[in-house]
Amino acid sequence: EDKVVQSPLSLVVHEGDTVTLNCSYEVTNFRSLLWYKQEKKAPTFLFMLTSSGIEKKSGRLSSILDKKELFSILNITATQTGDSAVYLCAAPGAGSYQLTFGKGTKLSVIP
Amino acid sequence: DVKVTQSSRYLVKRTGEKVFLECVQDMDHENMFWYRQDPGLGLRLIYFSYDVKMKEKGDIPEGYSVSREKKERFSLILESASTNQTSMYLCASSPWRDSNEKLFFGSGTQLSVL
Repeated sequence: EDKVVQSPLSLVVHEGDTVTLNCSYEVTNFRSLLWYKQEKKAPTFLFMLTSSGIEKKSGRLSSILDKKELFSILNITATQTGDSAVYLCAAPGAGSYQLTFGKGTKLSVIP
Repeated sequence: DVKVTQSSRYLVKRTGEKVFLECVQDMDHENMFWYRQDPGLGLRLIYFSYDVKMKEKGDIPEGYSVSREKKERFSLILESASTNQTSMYLCASSPWRDSNEKLFFGSGTQLSVL
């Protein structure tokens, strides 16, 4: 059974802090790993990672994949209150249309 | 921008009622999905469809059915709503037949069954 595990489940930081969110996976015939941000209702796409060791960046957010150790991290530098959200990690299963999601990390950034 | 529209943001129904949740996407995507999201359990796939009139069961299909009569519309049906179906329901679509990466989500419907 495919499994995606995120840690921590929740995190409270102060504005300006740097945070690292973790995602480990056990997926048959791994193809990709995706990160989403969910603020109010609709998760919005952040990154898709397919290759080990290649960092993807978007502003203050970055993510990297380690296919040997089967994990990914999402970094957010100089956090702002607008970064407060649930961050979801997901991976598609072997030959299937299904994305398996982790339970998410709830990030709260306080002023 | 891709738009996935769910017909209701909030819905309150009574036990035993038949409930329809509607989802429409405007980008001609082949794949459409229904997830439910519960605290502590994350997103779980109920049903998905990769073509008109095609449907596949996800991880938790019991108590639900779906309909896809047109490519842009995917409906989730609760035949006889029960209190354990109180949840946030998220519809999603993706553009490629053979891949479901990069889902585009609707804003969700918070369903309460009393």
